Amino acid sequence: QLQLQESGPRLVKPSQTLSLTCDVPGGSINGGGFAWSWIRQPPGKGLEWVGYVYHTGSTSYNPSLNSRVTISLDKPRNQFSLNLNSVTAADTAVYYCARGSLSLIQGVMGFFDYWGQGSLVTVSS
Amino acid sequence: EIVLTQSPGTLSLSPGDRATLSCRASQSVTSNFLAWYQQKPGQAPRLLIYGASRRATGIPDRFSGSGSGTDFTLTISRLEPEDFAVYYCQQFGRSPPIFTFGPGTKVDLK
Repeated sequence: QLQLQESGPRLVKPSQTLSLTCDVPGGSINGGGFAWSWIRQPPGKGLEWVGYVYHTGSTSYNPSLNSRVTISLDKPRNQFSLNLNSVTAADTAVYYCARGSLSLIQGVMGFFDYWGQGSLVTVSS
Repeated sequence: EIVLTQSPGTLSLSPGDRATLSCRASQSVTSNFLAWYQQKPGQAPRLLIYGASRRATGIPDRFSGSGSGTDFTLTISRLEPEDFAVYYCQQFGRSPPIFTFGPGTKVDLK
């Protein structure tokens, strides 16, 4: 059973950068076929996909966040990370890391099969 | 960019009832790239259905998915107490490669 674990500061000041890391113990982010993703959920609201990084380092981001977000891989540590800059209170949310399927197996792809437990990050001075 | 709409916003039912949840896309979605998730309070979402109709590992057969084009449905044939939760649909678009979630349907106890 693949596990994902978020870590990072739980409180960030407005205008600063939110940084989170996702550990993937027991699995490898080096292989292809997966979108190593960040998804967030403001308190009491729905899910919003933030973006993903592929094993090659290529990325795709939510157009609404594109100018502020960077997702990167740390292959030696088997981790991937999220940086979201110029944060405001609207960025307060539970941030989940997740594995997305980008491998067209039996004709299907594009779903998230493993999730971390989530990390609540609050933006406040 | 495809927008997903889910209805109803809230579904109030009793254990044993049949639940029918709708997910509608603003333009045609590749069925093989449509998924459903269940989320309970304080927990991460759990994959229920992928490829519009394929149950994920360990998901009971009372959960089923169907649909194509712009209209998709998640059906829970007989609600168990543990099924009261929020359900999200999600699609993947290959060009550009982005993921989109619907706003969710809450199934609560009548």
